[in-house]
Amino acid sequence: AQRVTQPEKLLSVFKGAPVELKCNYSYSGSPELFWYVQYSRQRLQLLLRHISRESIKGFTADLNKGETSFHLKKPFAQEEDSAMYYCALSGGGSQGNLIFGKGTKLSVKP
Amino acid sequence: ETGVTQSPTHLIKTRGQQVTLRCSSQSGHNTVSWYQQALGQGPQFIFQYYREEENGRGNFPPRFSGLQFPNYSSELNVNALELDDSALYLCASGAGTISYTFGSGTRLTVV
Repeated sequence: AQRVTQPEKLLSVFKGAPVELKCNYSYSGSPELFWYVQYSRQRLQLLLRHISRESIKGFTADLNKGETSFHLKKPFAQEEDSAMYYCALSGGGSQGNLIFGKGTKLSVKP
Repeated sequence: ETGVTQSPTHLIKTRGQQVTLRCSSQSGHNTVSWYQQALGQGPQFIFQYYREEENGRGNFPPRFSGLQFPNYSSELNVNALELDDSALYLCASGAGTISYTFGSGTRLTVV
């Protein structure tokens, strides 16, 4: 079954500390993986996608097919990074058909 | 360029009633997807519309139905509302390999 697992509901770190938001997936084939972010009172927005291999707001994520993981990392957390983060996968060739994890709330303390 | 807009923002319905939610896609986008997000959960795919036809469906019963219009706007209809239908309903629009843009959602409460 296709599934995305985000094991942590809440992750709390201090400003300047490294951050790693975990995401594991289950999919037979070659999925496309995404990270979406939702800041307080804002709509869900795309943070990054694995095929772009780009860094957005200092965040990076590497697809590890062996471990079926797509963890989101940032070396130095900022207070403005506090938000809800969702990992998602697309297996049907359409970005409109996404399977989301339950999300991790990141809280960055001053 | 306008983004994805959804209406209404909130509504309350009684169990057994029917509801229609509306979504205007972003300019240049021809595909619309609908998601249900229950409290504390990630969005769950309901269905997608492309060129006015349903083009993919998640694990939702037939009482969840939709429409897409020639201007690419879309409606989500839910019949025989149940208490468990209470959720945030998200619409997202996109086209081809363009990343999808989400609306702010409609908060539906069924009492």
